[in-house]
Amino acid sequence: GAVVSQHPSRVICKSGTSVKIECRSLDFQATTMFWYRQFPKQSLMLMATSNEGSKATYEQGVEKDKFLINHASLTLSTLTVTSAHPEDSSFYICSAALRQGSDNSPLHFGNGTRLTVT
Amino acid sequence: GQNIDQPTEMTATEGAIVQINCTYQTSGFNGLFWYQQHAGEAPTFLSYNVLDGLEEKGRFSSFLSRSKGYSYLLLKELQMKDSASYLCVVLDSNYQLIWGAGTKLIIKP
Repeated sequence: GAVVSQHPSRVICKSGTSVKIECRSLDFQATTMFWYRQFPKQSLMLMATSNEGSKATYEQGVEKDKFLINHASLTLSTLTVTSAHPEDSSFYICSAALRQGSDNSPLHFGNGTRLTVT
Repeated sequence: GQNIDQPTEMTATEGAIVQINCTYQTSGFNGLFWYQQHAGEAPTFLSYNVLDGLEEKGRFSSFLSRSKGYSYLLLKELQMKDSASYLCVVLDSNYQLIWGAGTKLIIKP
């Protein structure tokens, strides 16, 4: 079945540095990728939706200058957490969807990245 | 506004059947997903409904009524490993995901 690879699975960084998280669709072309953040004991919160070749659409309250999303190809989207702070420590998850006319394919999730900012 | 409602928590007994309900009000509809999520892990896809009716897949079944804005996930022959959160997610007309808060299912022996 379709697989989404997310890397790294865990990262620890110092406050003020930037961290890049990659999300790759391995055997299908993902026209749309979604980035989520999960706080402890809470549901996944959609951060942004990215469509290949265009700017990401950010959800209300998400700082686009802090969470940079690039979807340069149909198989790769990246999320860069810039100038990370301890409050950015969280579990970040990407998912990918093949959007093709009326074909509503299920979402395929990456395994997530646990970010710890010290 | 867009809204998804599902119970916060449910408890059931091992071997029994449980039904988790979900109602939604969204801007358009392109399908409804059910996901299972164990603590600390990414959600796992369970089912996808876009037409009315019941979809059966092993011990899990999912039902959709678009006219009522209603879906349920039915779990049969419950096992301890089914203890998890179950997320109801609707894809709206703009392909935005509308997430429910999840139902925490507790299975007791």
